[in-house]
Amino acid sequence: QVQLVESGGGVVQPGKSLRLSCAASGFTFSTYGMHWVRQAPGKGLEWVAVVWFDGSNKYYADSVKGRFTISRDNSKNTLYLQMNSLRDEDTAVYYCAAAEYSYGPTGWWGQGTLVTVSS
Amino acid sequence: DIVMTQSPDSLAVSLGERATINCKSSQSILYNSNNKNYLAWYQQKPGQPPKLLIYWASTRESGVPDRFSGSGSGTDFTLTISSLQTEDVAVYSCQQYFGTPFTFGPGTKVDIK
Repeated sequence: QVQLVESGGGVVQPGKSLRLSCAASGFTFSTYGMHWVRQAPGKGLEWVAVVWFDGSNKYYADSVKGRFTISRDNSKNTLYLQMNSLRDEDTAVYYCAAAEYSYGPTGWWGQGTLVTVSS
Repeated sequence: DIVMTQSPDSLAVSLGERATINCKSSQSILYNSNNKNYLAWYQQKPGQPPKLLIYWASTRESGVPDRFSGSGSGTDFTLTISSLQTEDVAVYSCQQYFGTPFTFGPGTKVDIK
């Protein structure tokens, strides 16, 4: 069955960096667009970034543009989110999610990994 | 950016009664070339990731009970739960995937009255 498993979360100081990973299985990873979506404690969902199935296009929310980088390794069925210059407001559960189409809904989601930015 | 709004923020409905949630986009998310509305609805229960319920505004995801339905076009959309069940207590969010950033609405919390 489809599995998306995030890892790499933890507690980090403001200004520092962290890299999240999302290991995918149970579907043809290289044909799916992959997203990162986050949810701050007690808040709604915030879309963060997307990378096209072949890595050719990447788009970001304004709140993370220039600080976060999404990437993927189709040979390893793994999605990444490099987060630099972290801020308190980046504290959230980060979910990876898969979409069958570049402009399509995200039908599969991981369980999420918690990132806490705190001094 | 396309801004998504939802109403109400929360609602409480008696078991077996209808629940209606509205979602509005700041610009049309209807793609004229294929006549599809680029809108999805998600259900999220506490401690769980979101679950896709409806996409293309009105297409039910496989396995989703038929008491859930989506409607609307252009900028105004509705999610209807025709007969609320205990297991439907959750937060419901709409999302547009017409253009990046793929923005979500703020969510609507549904409870039992």
